[in-house]
Amino acid sequence: GDSVTQMEGPVTLSEEAFLTINCTYTATGYPSLFWYVQYPGEGLQLLLKATKADDKGSNKGFEATYRKETTSFHLEKGSVQVSDSAVYFCALSEDNNDMRFGAGTRLTVKP
Amino acid sequence: NAGVTQTPKFRILKIGQSMTLQCAQDMNHNYMYWYRQDPGMGLKLIYYSVGAGITDKGEVPNGYNVSRSTTEDFPLRLELAAPSQTSVYFCASSYETRNLYGYTFGSGTRLTVV
Repeated sequence: GDSVTQMEGPVTLSEEAFLTINCTYTATGYPSLFWYVQYPGEGLQLLLKATKADDKGSNKGFEATYRKETTSFHLEKGSVQVSDSAVYFCALSEDNNDMRFGAGTRLTVKP
Repeated sequence: NAGVTQTPKFRILKIGQSMTLQCAQDMNHNYMYWYRQDPGMGLKLIYYSVGAGITDKGEVPNGYNVSRSTTEDFPLRLELAAPSQTSVYFCASSYETRNLYGYTFGSGTRLTVV
């Protein structure tokens, strides 16, 4: 069945460092791909999405490109801030089926 | 503010007690979901509903029950609480076209069973 694999954390970076969180997926067709962010003590919030191959989702300085050839949707940000410290979840939804979530990657950004 | 509202935010239960976690949304979403989140384990789907009067089991339904009498409300019932049900519970909702818009989540209920 469909699944999502994302890099294990935790990830610790200094402020203004470059961020990459890897995400790969397995699907039988052409899923939509999502990144959600969970700040401490809160629920998940949709960060960005891409609905077809080569689409780039972006929001708040974060970007991810839907790569069908490598079945990947890696999250990137050029310069992280302390306020970006959170848990990031990669997810997919195919043919309007239930969303499948990765295990989450905890990011800590130090001043 | 529009969104998904969960109550309570925190609860401690004794083994064998029962409780209902409340979830309400005001976005007129037909689809609603209950997930549990265990440390380092991501999200596991407990139950979901595609509309009033329709519910179905997810990946981990044992020990839980749901009902969906209205579009807005989707309560989760725990019967005979067990320590294994200690978790953070999230309710979410979506349009039918969830592959286009994703899910909207509530802020969660942290449940401890002792």
